[in-house]
Amino acid sequence: EVQLVESGGGLVQPGGSLRLSCAASGFTFSSFSMNWVRQAPGKGLEWVSYISGTTNIIYYADSVKGRFTISRDNAQNSLYLQMNSLRAEDTALYYCAREVSGNLPYWGQGTLVTVSS
Amino acid sequence: SYVLTQPPSVSVAPGQTARITCGGDIIGSQSVHWYQQKPGQAPVLVVYDDSDRPSGIPERFSGSNSGNTATLTISRVEAGDEADYYCQVWDSSSYHTVFGGGTQLTVL
Repeated sequence: EVQLVESGGGLVQPGGSLRLSCAASGFTFSSFSMNWVRQAPGKGLEWVSYISGTTNIIYYADSVKGRFTISRDNAQNSLYLQMNSLRAEDTALYYCAREVSGNLPYWGQGTLVTVSS
Repeated sequence: SYVLTQPPSVSVAPGQTARITCGGDIIGSQSVHWYQQKPGQAPVLVVYDDSDRPSGIPERFSGSNSGNTATLTISRVEAGDEADYYCQVWDSSSYHTVFGGGTQLTVL
């Protein structure tokens, strides 16, 4: 059974940093591209970042480019999102999601990031 | 960047057919995916590649895509279908995944 479990969320001040993790199990992690998607309270889904399985192709949404860094450790079956220079508008539930041919059939339950002073 | 436009809300009586649209420039040339999200839950993929259903998704859920509009059709709507629905594409020109703004389906 595919499982994705996010962690690392919390309350952080504007300008601060946070590192999110996503622990994957139930599939060959290195064979799949992964994404981070976020959802602000009461709002819709917003794609954040993408990383390929082994070739380290990486893409970012314009709203986070230069502030967020996606990475993965295939040996540890883990996906990460390093978030720097956090802003109030980054407050959201952050999901990791496994990709298959451009769609996202598997999602974690999310980890909440709150940016506030 | 590529924009996907969905109606904010759609209402339908139980047993009727709900149609949720997703508009985008020449969206018919792209693969469209649809997600259902119930309150407090993660999104669930209900249709991929315009009209295919993942295993476990009822046949009542179907999709189509042509021209500038993709459509998610839910036949014989049930109370349990009440949720937010999002369309999604991969925009190859910007290397971005794009979601529509979401449509809240209300079952009257």
